[in-house]
Amino acid sequence: QSALTQPPSASGSPGQSLTISCTGTSSDVGYSNYVSWYQQHPGKAPKLIIHEVSKRPSGVPDRFSGSKSGNTASLTVSGLQAEDDSDYYCSAYAGDKHWGVFGTGTKVTVL
Amino acid sequence: EVQLLESGGGLVQPGGSLTLSCAVSGFTFSDYPMAWVRQAPGTGLEWVLVISGTGAHTYSADSVKGRFTISRDNSKNTLYLQMNSLRAEDTAVYYCAKVQHFFWSGPTFDYWGQGTLVTVSS
Repeated sequence: QSALTQPPSASGSPGQSLTISCTGTSSDVGYSNYVSWYQQHPGKAPKLIIHEVSKRPSGVPDRFSGSKSGNTASLTVSGLQAEDDSDYYCSAYAGDKHWGVFGTGTKVTVL
Repeated sequence: EVQLLESGGGLVQPGGSLTLSCAVSGFTFSDYPMAWVRQAPGTGLEWVLVISGTGAHTYSADSVKGRFTISRDNSKNTLYLQMNSLRAEDTAVYYCAKVQHFFWSGPTFDYWGQGTLVTVSS
């Protein structure tokens, strides 16, 4: 099972919006709506910020939103803030053969 | 408050074995699948093994199949990772993680431990 493809890096100024893509196949991203996104600051454990494509766990700011079209999922961060400077990973359910897969990760820099 | 606390990491020689533990509190442990996720230095996340709430079902990544085993003791609220035939490429921070809903929803992890470092080197 190959990792989902994410851009290595993305950047934006405070207040701007930024979108990260996560491209897979019909066997993972396109297979179901079990697509999630995580934020990870250096030296810390990942934090779930989006699940089931577009649902936000309690406490996650509504600046974070998710969507999916076909085999590509996207995470949008609106109104970038300094604390959004972090690594972001997508993940997807891959069915009963491979169970799951993570994305390659995107380093977001707030300029 | 949900807490996951890993232990057992350290330095081990290639070909050696190591067992990690993850002590859990704050939720009904037996109701949820659990997983081990690792992150090699400077790289991305890789789920390694997952186990259902009862322990009846497990999945492993191809990279560890036949070498690593996941298990759980629901009476002790503890998750385990038995690692055998360790290789240099197994060097990573190992996280235990709680699956948010059910086994067939894939890698949606709503709680994570702080991680424990495993270094495989001679």
